Amino acid sequence: DAKTTQPPSMDCAEGRAANLPCNHSTISGNEYVYWYRQIHSQGPQYIIHGLKNNETNEMASLIITEDRKSSTLILPHATLRDTAVYYCIVRETSYDKVIFGPGTSLSVIP
Amino acid sequence: EAGVAQSPRYKIIEKRQSVAFWCNPISGHATLYWYQQILGQGPKLLIQFQNNGVVDDSQLPKDRFSAERLKGVDSTLKIQPAKLEDSAVYLCASSLEWGLTYEQYFGPGTRLTVT
Repeated sequence: DAKTTQPPSMDCAEGRAANLPCNHSTISGNEYVYWYRQIHSQGPQYIIHGLKNNETNEMASLIITEDRKSSTLILPHATLRDTAVYYCIVRETSYDKVIFGPGTSLSVIP
Repeated sequence: EAGVAQSPRYKIIEKRQSVAFWCNPISGHATLYWYQQILGQGPKLLIQFQNNGVVDDSQLPKDRFSAERLKGVDSTLKIQPAKLEDSAVYLCASSLEWGLTYEQYFGPGTRLTVT
């Protein structure tokens, strides 16, 4: 079973920041938080990952709380092309297994 | 850099028939994965290869599903015989190595419809 919980759906106005929350209250010390997204009819796409510190790349920012029990993916200026299902995943420590939950369906509205 | 290639993109078969999917990972990627994604759900890992050895096939229904990765490059996933509940998108992914911080790159998937 997935180790994370996410809201099933969210809306965001085009040009505004999209903040996608994720709860992972049972995360262990060596587990990373990963985010992927899946645009309709495509395979999932890696976005970003982090362990403790906040991370930023050209796609998004990842904010992890100090207790690591939750995180937020931030798309700073959402566009229509960001409409997708976003998956928050906690990776197991020993190997590369990725367990997807149902994710959050983000709709960016013009 | 070329992405993960999969074929066919779509397949329609009748129940009890057999079907095979092909995957060509990104060049140099040692780890290859097959996922099943039923409509409205997240992808579920079926099998994971490291080079041409199986790392994890605990979720693979071995009575009807089989997979192989010859020479540690291309892979095929076969279903024989197919059931109605096998209707799904079958995704192939690859990563550089088998390790915690290597992200996975996914192909476009094969949409299977079993009638």
